[in-house]
Amino acid sequence: GQQLNQSPQSMFIQEGEDVSMNCTSSSIFNTWLWYKQDPGEGPVLLIALYKAGELTSNGRLTAQFGITRKDSFLNISASIPSDVGIYFCAGVVSYNTDKLIFGTGTRLQVFP
Amino acid sequence: NAGVTQTPKFRILKIGQSMTLQCAQDMNHNYMYWYRQDPGMGLKLIYYSVGAGITDKGEVPNGYNVSRSTTEYFPLRLELAAPSQTSVYFCASTKRQILASMEKLFFGSGTQLSVL
Repeated sequence: GQQLNQSPQSMFIQEGEDVSMNCTSSSIFNTWLWYKQDPGEGPVLLIALYKAGELTSNGRLTAQFGITRKDSFLNISASIPSDVGIYFCAGVVSYNTDKLIFGTGTRLQVFP
Repeated sequence: NAGVTQTPKFRILKIGQSMTLQCAQDMNHNYMYWYRQDPGMGLKLIYYSVGAGITDKGEVPNGYNVSRSTTEYFPLRLELAAPSQTSVYFCASTKRQILASMEKLFFGSGTQLSVL
């Protein structure tokens, strides 16, 4: 089945640094979503991308839908301690289904 | 609104026992999903439903059953629990298709299940 590979697996950064993470697949996806999961909670949607090449921002977060439709990137600028958590990418397989395929996650730790 | 409510939050089962994970949403959402999340991994889709009376398999349906008799409830049943089913289970819902507009997938807070 489809797989989403996320990198890096984990990041340890200092407060104020910028963060970049990406998600790649061997399959084409029609929609890319980025979620953040806090400990003991369900994932919360951060950004949704619907078109190849689309660049969307949400505060300090910026995400891009890759031109090939096989990848997506998430950047966090000027990180703060509350950015700590696990970030997941997710892709919607096709227009005829509502199955979300999730990446393996990037664990972010921010040190003051 | 309570959103998506999952019960119980934690459960320990012995091998071969059965149990039902409950999921309820009060947002009148048509689409509901069950995911499992293994340690250090992303979420994998077990089953989903696009409306009352309609269910379909996801990526990892074996060992599970679901039913959707009403819009609000989408229980997940484990008939013969196995250690491989130790995981955190998330229920989620959305009003319409994910691709429609800016619809969000709302997640419950999860059920942590251990099978020993």
